[in-house]
Amino acid sequence: AQSVTQLDSQVPVFEEAPVELRCNYSSSVSVYLFWYVQYPNQGLQLLLKYLSGSTLVKGINGFEAEFNKSQTSFHLRKPSVHISDTAEYFCAVSRPGNTPLVFGKGTRLSVIA
Amino acid sequence: DTGVSQNPRHKITKRGQNVTFRCDPISEHNRLYWYRQTLGQGPEFLTYFQNEAQLEKSRLLSDRFSAERPKGSFSTLEIQRTEQGDSAMYLCASSTGQGTYEQYFGPGTRLTVT
Repeated sequence: AQSVTQLDSQVPVFEEAPVELRCNYSSSVSVYLFWYVQYPNQGLQLLLKYLSGSTLVKGINGFEAEFNKSQTSFHLRKPSVHISDTAEYFCAVSRPGNTPLVFGKGTRLSVIA
Repeated sequence: DTGVSQNPRHKITKRGQNVTFRCDPISEHNRLYWYRQTLGQGPEFLTYFQNEAQLEKSRLLSDRFSAERPKGSFSTLEIQRTEQGDSAMYLCASSTGQGTYEQYFGPGTRLTVT
């Protein structure tokens, strides 16, 4: 079975500052890794994914994440945040293939002007 | 692509009543997933389909829950004898079943059991 731990439930950050949202996973098999974003009153939207290959993946809206197998981590980063990045961010894992996602509890990113 | 749609968007029901939710996936997507999200938590997997076949059900899914996808297109999720603990957002997602491994989520149905 897989599990995901998002280490921070809330992250406040000033506009134009960098941010890192942390995600650790546990699995006995290889996994695919995802970050989803949920804006207020909207559905979940995929930010980026890691399936294989390069451990640094780039996503939409200037976000990137790095897969670290030895640390079982997949932290999300953005060098300069905007007010519009205020949202809930979810890290998720799945078994390889189009299989169900296992989500973390989420991190609420609040960008302060 | 019109996206994944879910109906109704909101449902208020009394404890003990039955409710049914509908999900229309993106056309040509052969995999369809149901998740449940409670306040302050991430979505939890309930069940998923490949075309008409139900491939897996979570141990979270009690006998009061049933899902079907009769023609491999839309899906319904029924909850019988609702309980207050069933209050949650019910999310539907679909994927192509190959290639991109991306699940596209609908806006959800918010259920409130009074």
